[in-house]
Amino acid sequence: DAGVIQSPRHEVTEMGQEVTLRCKPISGHNSLFWYRQTMMRGLELLIYFNNNVPIDDSGMPEDRFSAKMPNASFSTLKIQPSEPRDSAVYFCASSLWGPMGTEAFFGQGTRLTVV
Amino acid sequence: GIQVEQSPPDLILQEGANSTLRCNFSDSVNNLQWFHQNPWGQLINLFYIPSGTKQNGRLSATTVATERYSLLYISSSQTTDSGVYFCAVVKGSSNTGKLIFGQGTTLQVKP
Repeated sequence: DAGVIQSPRHEVTEMGQEVTLRCKPISGHNSLFWYRQTMMRGLELLIYFNNNVPIDDSGMPEDRFSAKMPNASFSTLKIQPSEPRDSAVYFCASSLWGPMGTEAFFGQGTRLTVV
Repeated sequence: GIQVEQSPPDLILQEGANSTLRCNFSDSVNNLQWFHQNPWGQLINLFYIPSGTKQNGRLSATTVATERYSLLYISSSQTTDSGVYFCAVVKGSSNTGKLIFGQGTTLQVKP
């Protein structure tokens, strides 16, 4: 398997524009996570899906952020409108979650810069 | 929620030295992972270790779940070991695999 695939790797956009980040989880995994990493806040969980269903979105900063998982092999994180403070590295991760737990794997991240 | 604390926050080593990184957590866990974030920002899986001891080359890890801590040992450090080391856990009562990260230990290995 190619691992968790994220696109784009880098994104530079102007304030007010819509940004869409994409993630393809590892085939067969049933849990997907979106994280944001900043110097100030470290790695924080934004939202996670289990079997394509959003389970907990309490980490989503505000209504400008939305995430979808239309099927088991694709998820998007959208920011509309974007603001400079959204600049960060966004990671997607996936795992095969079960009663005994399992290992999560991360994509290479998307570095977002909002100017 | 569960708290994950890592120590030390920063560590500078001379190449060839050994080190121990610690991760304390405030509740029972059923998943614990160690990651290395390299200078290019990639998060590399090191160990999946909810309990017990594992070794992989110069790296080894031990988790004592009953005492709520895990240790990552790096022996004969190399400059390529530089980066940030994260511990992340899933709370024991969780049924969805929500992985919570510590703040990390930044390691610099000097030649």
